[in-house]
Amino acid sequence: QVQLQESGPGLVKPSGTLSLTCTVSGASMSGHYWWTWVRQSPAKGLEWIGQIFHSGNTKYNPSLKSRVIISLDKAKKEFSVEFKSVTAADTAVYYCVRDALEIGGGEPTDWFDSWGQGVLVTVSS
Amino acid sequence: DILMTQSPSSLSASVGDRVTITCRASQYISSSLNWYQQKPGQAPKLLIYTASRLQSGVPSRFSGSGSGTDFTLTISTLQPEDFATYFCQQSYSIDMYTFGQGTKLEIK
Repeated sequence: QVQLQESGPGLVKPSGTLSLTCTVSGASMSGHYWWTWVRQSPAKGLEWIGQIFHSGNTKYNPSLKSRVIISLDKAKKEFSVEFKSVTAADTAVYYCVRDALEIGGGEPTDWFDSWGQGVLVTVSS
Repeated sequence: DILMTQSPSSLSASVGDRVTITCRASQYISSSLNWYQQKPGQAPKLLIYTASRLQSGVPSRFSGSGSGTDFTLTISTLQPEDFATYFCQQSYSIDMYTFGQGTKLEIK
């Protein structure tokens, strides 16, 4: 049973950098999975931030792409997100998520099958 | 971006009721639609994937249907533990996943 656990500071100053790490246990980071970050705020609801494959390929939300980097350390079984130049609008609960990819006879499809418990990050001076 | 619109935004129902929640995509998404349940203070939990496939461990009273742009989540016989917020999510646009705004299911 895969488990994901977020860690990182709960308070970040405006214009600073938000950095979070997700530790994966109970499963390999290889295989047909994208390792994903999602955030949730009252203003924007659930928002996909981006994701990384075990090969290192990344995809990002276009509206956030200029400020976000997602990285992976397979040896440590961790993946991380770094968010630059944060503002109060980046205050949210941040989740790390496993996105399971199915490549079968039909169209490839995927779904978010495992979630971390989430960590509240507040941007404030 | 593909806009996902859920209806209703909130719903009051009683234990034992049959409940249906609707999700509409702003463009064609085939069957690339997933449903999640979220309880207060918890992360979302996958219920249904690819529109109609039940996630392992999820009770069979949950079912999903639809394709193209219109989808439904049905709870056949509401149980006390089902009162929560439900979200749909499209995985058709793999470069920009989007969620519905949520449907809060409350006890009548």
